[in-house]
Amino acid sequence: AQSVTQLGSHVSVSEGALVLLRCNYSSSVPPYLFWYVQYPNQGLQLLLKYTTGATLVKGINGFEAEFKKSETSFHLTKPSAHMSDAAEYFCAVSEGSNFGNEKLTFGTGTRLTIIP
Amino acid sequence: DAMVIQNPRYQVTQFGKPVTLSCSQTLNHNVMYWYQQKSSQAPKLLFHYYDKDFNNEADTPDNFQSRRPNTSFCFLDIRSPGLGDAAMYLCATSSRTIEETQYFGPGTRLLVL
Repeated sequence: AQSVTQLGSHVSVSEGALVLLRCNYSSSVPPYLFWYVQYPNQGLQLLLKYTTGATLVKGINGFEAEFKKSETSFHLTKPSAHMSDAAEYFCAVSEGSNFGNEKLTFGTGTRLTIIP
Repeated sequence: DAMVIQNPRYQVTQFGKPVTLSCSQTLNHNVMYWYQQKSSQAPKLLFHYYDKDFNNEADTPDNFQSRRPNTSFCFLDIRSPGLGDAAMYLCATSSRTIEETQYFGPGTRLLVL
């Protein structure tokens, strides 16, 4: 079984400040990890993903995340927040098709607000 | 160059009146998913197709059905919508064997009056 915990349903940061959105997961097999962003009344857009290889992954819009197996974490960061980053962010885990389960399990989401 | 297309973007229906939401894709992916997302909640998987094989989630109500006539199209049918079915419905696709990533459409927001 797999699960995702996103600490902080709401996060506010000042424009230009560091963005840190936390995600912890549990999985019985090596996980595939994803961050999606959702703007109001829109679908989910893939920000970045970790499947195998380098544990620090870079995504779109200046975001990056680091897979830390020992901490079962996949936190999302961005050095300098921009007003356009205001959105809902979802962390998700999959066991992958190799294990016959490519279904995504989502966290409950973190709403990011940027303070001008 | 939209890859996953959902129509309509907004749908209004009446309590108990059947409604169909559509999804199409230009990615030639073999897996298509339907999710329900209620306000301020995470998306919840309803079912998915792997090619023509239909896979229903255990807790998906019988009121929800799906059809996939070909690789490109997938439909979500709600036979008798209730007020509790008002939500955003998201379609997603993945190739499964090529890339372990789901690509989402823009969603259809359903309002039940």
